[in-house]
Amino acid sequence: QKEVEQNSGPLSVPEGAIASLNCTYSDRGSQSFFWYRQYSGKSPELIMFIYSNGDKEDGRFTAQLNKASQYVSLLIRDSQPSDSATYLCAVNGNSGGSNYKLTFGKGTLLTVNP
Amino acid sequence: DVKVTQSSRYLVKRTGEKVFLECVQDMDHENMFWYRQDPGLGLRLIYFSYDVKMKEKGDIPEGYSVSREKKERFSLILESASTNQTSMYLCASSLSWTQYFGPGTRLLVL
Repeated sequence: QKEVEQNSGPLSVPEGAIASLNCTYSDRGSQSFFWYRQYSGKSPELIMFIYSNGDKEDGRFTAQLNKASQYVSLLIRDSQPSDSATYLCAVNGNSGGSNYKLTFGKGTLLTVNP
Repeated sequence: DVKVTQSSRYLVKRTGEKVFLECVQDMDHENMFWYRQDPGLGLRLIYFSYDVKMKEKGDIPEGYSVSREKKERFSLILESASTNQTSMYLCASSLSWTQYFGPGTRLLVL
């Protein structure tokens, strides 16, 4: 059973701080990793994806991947109250073809305090 | 931009009713997915489809069926709605691994 674990939070940070969200996964063959943001009552929206070890930056967001440790994280710099949401980590299986399923973590609730 | 739409944002049904939830995507994606999301349980995959008329069970298919007669449309059917199917239902589509979600349907079964 593939598992994706996230700290459920809530993670509370002050406005302007760096928020660090973490995710571990069990399937060593996973190759694609995704971060989704979900506002209360809304559907998940894709923020970033990462395939290679190391860092990937997009504006205030940085995804970090360490396949050896089976660990992926999302850093949000200069956090804003509008970043307050649940962040879902998702990981692919190690087979492609007709089976493009993702396994989702349960999400971390982030609260950014003004 | 990818657009995934769902037929209803809110739905109230009675126990025993047959319920249809529809999802339409406009990006010619091969893959479509139905999830339900409940507090503390996260997103759980009900069914997915990788081509027209092709479907596979997800993690919690019991009490549900699906239909994909056209590439752009994927329907979730609750054969006989029960109160434990009260939930947020999310549809997603993808070309490969990146999934794009519809706005969701919040279903209440009384």
